[in-house]
Amino acid sequence: ETGVTQTPRHLVMGMTNKKSLKCEQHLGHNAMYWYKQSAKKPLELMFVYNFKEQTENNSVPSRFSPECPNSSHLFLHLHTLQPEDSALYLCASSQGREGGYGYTFGSGTRLTVV
Amino acid sequence: AQTVTQSQPEMSVQEAETVTLSCTYDTSENNYYLFWYKQPPSRQMILVIRQEAYKQQNATENRFSVNFQKAAKSFSLKISDSQLGDTAMYFCVHSGGSNYKLTFGKGTLLTVNP
Repeated sequence: ETGVTQTPRHLVMGMTNKKSLKCEQHLGHNAMYWYKQSAKKPLELMFVYNFKEQTENNSVPSRFSPECPNSSHLFLHLHTLQPEDSALYLCASSQGREGGYGYTFGSGTRLTVV
Repeated sequence: AQTVTQSQPEMSVQEAETVTLSCTYDTSENNYYLFWYKQPPSRQMILVIRQEAYKQQNATENRFSVNFQKAAKSFSLKISDSQLGDTAMYFCVHSGGSNYKLTFGKGTLLTVNP
């Protein structure tokens, strides 16, 4: 394990379902992030949390709802998704907002919307 | 805004040989960092090497080294003595600005052949 754990690893859901993705880090990092990775496209930053406070929402549709109850846990709640939302969702963490030492990523959740 | 361009969607190399992956970027920042991340089939995004823009010396990590040309905004990755385990998608990443947001290139898929 790399220090950032994501569950589930795979998820298939219907467009009317509600599901949640979970991310957990025990690295003592203060900042956590959700990224979306689609085929043939660069990674897209979705949300940023710093010390549990959301500091950035990158124009993400409201059918994606993040939650950060503490600095170690980050959730992404999903509801009424569309097929184009199928992608790999990556969670990352870093020490503070400074990206000088890079981020530590999880292995991602492969989401398929049917 | 920062942009990162990787002009080689795919590359291949024979085991034990050397390969260079290209990356150019555009930034308005004076202080920034550059990274190469690899993403093998396991999907884990792994930090390979890090370069601080204010350092002229090229970073080196074992078989991995970079050629950082700040004026030309070029940041190539050289992999020496390629190994089968180096097969992965490689992303060039810029981190800078007031919030040190990561900007990813589209990636280069490297295949190491036996």
